[in-house]
Amino acid sequence: SAVISQKPSRDICQRGTSLTIQCQVDSQVTMMFWYRQQPGQSLTLIATANQGSEATYESGFVIDKFPISRPNLTFSTLTVSNMSPEDSSIYLCSVGGTGDPGAFFGQGTRLTVV
Amino acid sequence: GENVEQHPSTLSVQEGDSAVIKCTYSDSASNYFPWYKQELGKGPQLIIDIRSNVGEKKDQRIAVTLNKTAKHFSLHITETQPEDSAVYFCAGNCGRQAGTALIFGKGTTLSVSS
Repeated sequence: SAVISQKPSRDICQRGTSLTIQCQVDSQVTMMFWYRQQPGQSLTLIATANQGSEATYESGFVIDKFPISRPNLTFSTLTVSNMSPEDSSIYLCSVGGTGDPGAFFGQGTRLTVV
Repeated sequence: GENVEQHPSTLSVQEGDSAVIKCTYSDSASNYFPWYKQELGKGPQLIIDIRSNVGEKKDQRIAVTLNKTAKHFSLHITETQPEDSAVYFCAGNCGRQAGTALIFGKGTTLSVSS
């Protein structure tokens, strides 16, 4: 299984500011994904991070609010822009792809917006 | 769209008893069904997964069964231990290739008392 490192592990941010979350994988992976887990809730897919092209966003999520980069096969970033308290969640990076043994998650970034 | 329903939302068992969590899915093209264990403050940990070409898979005290006709799959934990206490999530890949974007159930909080 891939080892996935996320930074930061947690942060407290002021409303109106932006935070960029990094996801580093110890091996090249075909696909990387970003999920949100609101307090006490399940996981919701935000977008698929595509290497070399724009991310593919799920319904209810837009690029202006959650810009994503994927410069190579081992790294991706998710930015939460113009934050409000409703953005307080755990943000999780996941990897997977054809032929991979499964879909694995990082430890997540716990974001609190005040 | 794809939907994954999970039951029960909470489950309390005595140490040594078995625990069963059930999920149903709506997209008949789904072919990958992982189960995750999430402990407080941690990311989801993949504990077992099953693909649509098999009906059952076991790994020590954990087993998963899949009924493609009925579109449901279940997690079975035998000889439960207090350290099995956590939130468990089922997921399905909504018709995409195995290991890609997942739709999650709402989770089951399992409590094992000694």
